[in-house]
Amino acid sequence: ETGVTQSPTHLIKTRGQQVTLRCSSQSGHNTVSWYQQALGQGPQFIFQYYREEENGRGNFPPRFSGLQFPNYSSELNVNALELDDSALYLCASSLQGAGNTIYFGEGSWLTVV
Amino acid sequence: AQSVSQHNHHVILSEAASLELGCNYSYGGTVNLFWYVQYPGQHLQLLLKYFSGDPLVKGIKGFEAEFIKSKFSFNLRKPSVQWSDTAEYFCAVIFNTGGFKTIFGAGTRLFVKA
Repeated sequence: ETGVTQSPTHLIKTRGQQVTLRCSSQSGHNTVSWYQQALGQGPQFIFQYYREEENGRGNFPPRFSGLQFPNYSSELNVNALELDDSALYLCASSLQGAGNTIYFGEGSWLTVV
Repeated sequence: AQSVSQHNHHVILSEAASLELGCNYSYGGTVNLFWYVQYPGQHLQLLLKYFSGDPLVKGIKGFEAEFIKSKFSFNLRKPSVQWSDTAEYFCAVIFNTGGFKTIFGAGTRLFVKA
């Protein structure tokens, strides 16, 4: 149990729709990052938020956006869904600074049809 | 651009055999290094990490890894594997390039025969 909770655990959306995934960080963690893990692949870094500001981004288009709230919970929003967006979306939290571990949630499975 | 490579995609070993999984990254600046394990149906769990200091780090379940800066490598080792080590192993690197970027390797699926 990592203390990182994600919702929903599974969802199905239609191409072109929008989706919002939610993450509650481990208590005391001020940094959250999001990853996309397609079947048979390693997690791909989407972006990272520290104290409500994005401070790192991977190679994902602008239709992937996020928010971090004052209580350090977070959302991942994906607009104009495409079939290739079908994947497991992982949220991870940590305490910013050297030596601090990233703890992962169990993920949200998104299927786009 | 930064990248992380894991050389072995699938490894099959018998119990008690020794394990070494390779991980290399491309970047000359500051990095933080991790190995994660994902057992079937479970979330990613941290095995070990390196931030600074002794380049030989010990993790949980008898795993260790050695950071060789000159080779940009962070290989994972275990002297004697068990059937319960069957899982997928991911090397991950945090690159500090003014912002933070975490890149995972593609993973290595380890199957240990009893």
